[in-house]
Amino acid sequence: GEDVEQSLFLSVREGDSSVINCTYTDSSSTYLYWYKQEPGAGLQLLTYIFSNMDMKQDQRLTVLLNKKDKHLSLRIADTQTGDSAIYFCAATTQTGANNLFFGTGTRLTVIP
Amino acid sequence: DTEVTQTPKHLVMGMTNKKSLKCEQHMGHRAMYWYKQKAKKPPELMFVYSYEKLSINESVPSRFSPECPNSSLLNLHLHALQPEDSALYLCASSLTRQGSYNEQFFGPGTRLTVL
Repeated sequence: GEDVEQSLFLSVREGDSSVINCTYTDSSSTYLYWYKQEPGAGLQLLTYIFSNMDMKQDQRLTVLLNKKDKHLSLRIADTQTGDSAIYFCAATTQTGANNLFFGTGTRLTVIP
Repeated sequence: DTEVTQTPKHLVMGMTNKKSLKCEQHMGHRAMYWYKQKAKKPPELMFVYSYEKLSINESVPSRFSPECPNSSLLNLHLHALQPEDSALYLCASSLTRQGSYNEQFFGPGTRLTVL
C-alpha cells in the first residue's frame, strides 16, 4: 500500500513563507492533494497536482512535485494567521480507485 | 450547491445506545465515503459506496452499519459502541470512484463521544 509521511510541526512568522513537505512511497500515485483542516472542522481541498506535472501555482500556493524522489511540497507565500491549521497531503494511486491515502498531517502555527 | 452536510454536529451516546449519523450531498455525486479521524491523526477510510452499493468495507466492526438509501444520502448506524470509538466522523463524496481526477468533497464532520 501507499505510505505518506509528513513532518508534524512547523512554526513561521506572519508574512514569511511556509514550506510543508511530504514523501510518499507508491510510484504509481496519480494525483497528489493538499488539504487544510482547521480545529474541529472537516477537510478543505487547497490544491492538487497531477503526477505528470512538476509545479503548480495557485495564488499564494505553490506545489512542487519531485516524482523521482517521491517528494511533494506546499509553499504558502505571505503566511497569515488564518493559515494556522493542520495540512494533510494525500495521494491516489492507479490501483486505488480514488482511495485517498493521507499523510500524518503537519500542524502549521503562524506567529503574529 | 457544492457542499456536503452532516448531522448532528456533536453526539454523545452511551455504550448501549443506538444512534445514526447522516450525510447529504446534492452535487450529483455517485460515490460517498465514511472516514474516522482520531485526535491528531489523519482520516482513516471506513466505507465506500459507489452507485448506492457498498464497494469497500475496511474491516470495520459490525457495530458500525452504513446505509445508502439513495444517491444523495449516506447514513452510519451506531450500536453498542465502545469509548475508543469516540472520534470525528467525516463524510465525503466524489463524482465517481473511477476515472481520472475525482476530487473528494468533505463534510464538517460529526464529533462523537461514547461514554
